[in-house]
Amino acid sequence: KQEVTQIPAALSVPEGENLVLNCSFTDSAIYNLQWFRQDPGKGLTSLLLIQSSQREQTSGRLNASLDKSSGRSTLYIAASQPGDSATYLCAGLGTSYGKLTFGQGTILTVHP
Amino acid sequence: ETGVTQTPRHLVMGMTNKKSLKCEQHLKHNAMYWYKQSAKKPLELMFVYNFKEQTENNSVPSRFSPECPNSSHLFLHLHTLQPEDSALYLCASSQDEHRDYGYTFGSGTRLTVV
Repeated sequence: KQEVTQIPAALSVPEGENLVLNCSFTDSAIYNLQWFRQDPGKGLTSLLLIQSSQREQTSGRLNASLDKSSGRSTLYIAASQPGDSATYLCAGLGTSYGKLTFGQGTILTVHP
Repeated sequence: ETGVTQTPRHLVMGMTNKKSLKCEQHLKHNAMYWYKQSAKKPLELMFVYNFKEQTENNSVPSRFSPECPNSSHLFLHLHTLQPEDSALYLCASSQDEHRDYGYTFGSGTRLTVV
């Protein structure tokens, strides 16, 4: 059974800092990995999708990497802003289990 | 309308009520999913439909009954729920169950059972 762990559970940083969110998974037979953002009480917004043949994806100030051999993904946020405050979720789609499995999320607070 | 739309956004129901949650996707995807998000827990997969056929029932109690009349619509029928069923219910869609194109989620229905 796939398990996804996100570290840290919560992170508070001043505006302008660069930061890294970590995601690890137990089953390296992962097909793709997706990072989402969730604002309080809202649905999930897809940020980046790293497909099976890729190792990283970039969108604006966000960069996500995937290392299947070590079972890890990282989300890098450059020059953080208060509007980045949200819960960030990673989810893996497995080749063996075929479903999207989520971590518990990292709650990010960026203060002015 | 674009993406995945869920209605209602909020729902309060008594334990003896019957209600339904609706999900509609405008992405021409073939797979649709129901997820449950409870406080302090990761999202839990409930049901999967691929090409209108249910392919996964993740040991969900029978008081939750899904329906997928076509590839664009997904319902979750609720009856005799318990207070612990209060949660955010999220619908998602993807190209199909096994394709490498990622998932799109709706905004969710916040359900409170009283």
